[in-house]
Amino acid sequence: SQQGEEDPQALSIQEGENATMNCSYKTSINNLQWYRQNSGRGLVHLILIRSNEREKHSGRLRVTLDTSKKSSSLLITASRAADTASYFCATILTGTASKLTFGTGTRLQVTL
Amino acid sequence: GAGVSQSPSNKVTEKGKDVELRCDPISGHTALYWYRQSLGQGLEFLIYFQGNSAPDKSGLPSDRFSAERTGGSVSTLTIQRTQQEDSAVYLCARGGLAGNTGELFFGEGSRLTVL
Repeated sequence: SQQGEEDPQALSIQEGENATMNCSYKTSINNLQWYRQNSGRGLVHLILIRSNEREKHSGRLRVTLDTSKKSSSLLITASRAADTASYFCATILTGTASKLTFGTGTRLQVTL
Repeated sequence: GAGVSQSPSNKVTEKGKDVELRCDPISGHTALYWYRQSLGQGLEFLIYFQGNSAPDKSGLPSDRFSAERTGGSVSTLTIQRTQQEDSAVYLCARGGLAGNTGELFFGEGSRLTVL
């Protein structure tokens, strides 16, 4: 079963707009990570936020974490056509060492 | 790249045949994972190797699936008597170096099609 659920499942925006994706999870976590997957390719790590952090930035990416609501959001600012991909959140559950469990993903389409 | 080579990149087989998928991470990484991704779906955890510890096999869907890791490096995922529902992309990932934050580095996957 999936630990994380992304919302929305699909998102279509125009270049230059911001894209926000949300992830909800079920149990206590050590950290939460976001990955990107281009069609037919492997996943690429984007950003990691620890359970004691509330917000983190990396370039055009902004991630927030609300452990009380068991949710995270990924914001991509000033989107580009090259940002078109699927985005997954992944969590390491407390007490499971490094076992990473993935959500269902958000498919982002950025059009010119 | 991510330092993980997977082979074959594509495999087409007939129902009932056995297949072996290979994962070759760069040396020095003790953590290795296998995931399965069906078309348009998320990643399903299969198995996790960590050093000399017993592997976490909790995600293997049936006893037709097995995996081994020889010499703490190369891993082989074997699917016996393949079924059409085994068709998916099988992704291998290695853990990072010291620090073990849980960040994973993925190979490009092996796409399996069972006819």
